[in-house]
This record gives sequence, structure tokens and C-alpha cells, in this order.
Amino acid sequence: KAGVTQTPRYLIKTRGQQVTLSCSPISGHRSVSWYQQTPGQGLQFLFEYFSETQRNKGNFPGRFSGRQFSNSRSEMNVSTLELGDSALYLCASSSTTGDGTGANVLTFGAGSRLTVL
Amino acid sequence: AQTVTQSQPEMSVQEAETVTLSCTYDTSENNYYLFWYKQPPSRQMILVIRQEAYKQQNATENRFSVNFQKAAKSFSLKISDSQLGDTAMYFCAFAEYGNKLVFGAGTILRVKS
Repeated sequence: KAGVTQTPRYLIKTRGQQVTLSCSPISGHRSVSWYQQTPGQGLQFLFEYFSETQRNKGNFPGRFSGRQFSNSRSEMNVSTLELGDSALYLCASSSTTGDGTGANVLTFGAGSRLTVL
Repeated sequence: AQTVTQSQPEMSVQEAETVTLSCTYDTSENNYYLFWYKQPPSRQMILVIRQEAYKQQNATENRFSVNFQKAAKSFSLKISDSQLGDTAMYFCAFAEYGNKLVFGAGTILRVKS
């Protein structure tokens, strides 16, 4: 069973540009969550998508956005990149969204390392 | 807002020995979930163990076990018979429900031969 696949694994952008990261969840998983990992702020929740709908959102500016497609693949976009956006972006998938019935086990991808110059 | 605190930035242990990683959290909720995730140098986060707060029994997974003290809001991870492959960053995480996890800052564990 294939794991969570994130592309690209590494990318370098300059300030002001935008970037799109992709995440393919485990087959059958309908929930995709995104996390940002930085040395200073640690791991922070960005947002979660389930069945093409954003179910939850972290405390990030509107420059960070995402979407989910009908095949559960998800993309996140960061516009007008800033130096502080340099981070490892982790995607995680789960079979359900929990929805009050419990917190799920998340399966993480290897991450996309974004460097902003 | 929930917070998770890992007070040990780094720890070392000899191969085959036992080590305990500490985690405390703050919440006003009664039902929630706690996790330990491991992130080796390859960066892929891997679930180590999961605990449901309403269960009194401490979760165990092979060499990994937790000491869950709900009243003290403490959730420590014990690794027995440490192996070189246990070298990683360990994150404690909290979730009320759903897939929004709040992570601690992490503890780097180095297993020495």
C-alpha cells in the first residue's frame, strides 16, 4: 500500500513568488492535513480538508491556502512568499476527519522542504 | 488553547537501556487524545503510540509504553531496550478530536552504542 506522497521534495523560491505543494494521500483516505515545521515555531497546523471541504484551519495568514480534489489529492499554495515561510511542509492523511468521534492516527508524508531566498 | 510542553530538548541513552521522555499538556477538556510521534533523520513522521484520555490503562506498543497521569496532565514515553534505530526527534502531541494536532517542541533522542 503506497504511503503519503508529497511533491516536490525540495524547492527554492525567491521572496514575492508563489508556490504550490502537492500531497497524494493513502488510497482510501479522505482527510488531508497540512503542517508547517520550522526550527523556531516547531510543528504548526495549517489546515485540514475532507471530501473537498476545508474542515479546520490554523492560525496562518490568508497567503496560505489549500484545496482538495475529488480523488482526495490536496494542494497547498503560499502566495507572496516571505523569508519566514522557509520550512518543511508536512502533509498527513487519515481515513476520517474525526468529527467529534475521536482523533485519528495520521500518516505523514516525507515533506516538502521550501527555501525562500 | 491547548499547549504541549516537552521540557527535555535532548537526551542520550546507551543501547539496550531504558529512557523516559517527558511531556505535559494543558487543556480544560475531559476527553482528548495524546500521541507520541517519532521523526528520524529521514524526516518521515511515524506514530509511536496513541492514548485515549478516557482509558485508564496505559498504552503500550512493543518496547514503547506510556505513563499517562490525567490529573497531573502528564504523558511520558518509556522506551525499553533502546536500539540505534530509535535515534530520532520525538514529538508529543495532543488532539481534542479530529485531525488538528498540537505538538510539543520535541526531544532529540540519541542512542549510543
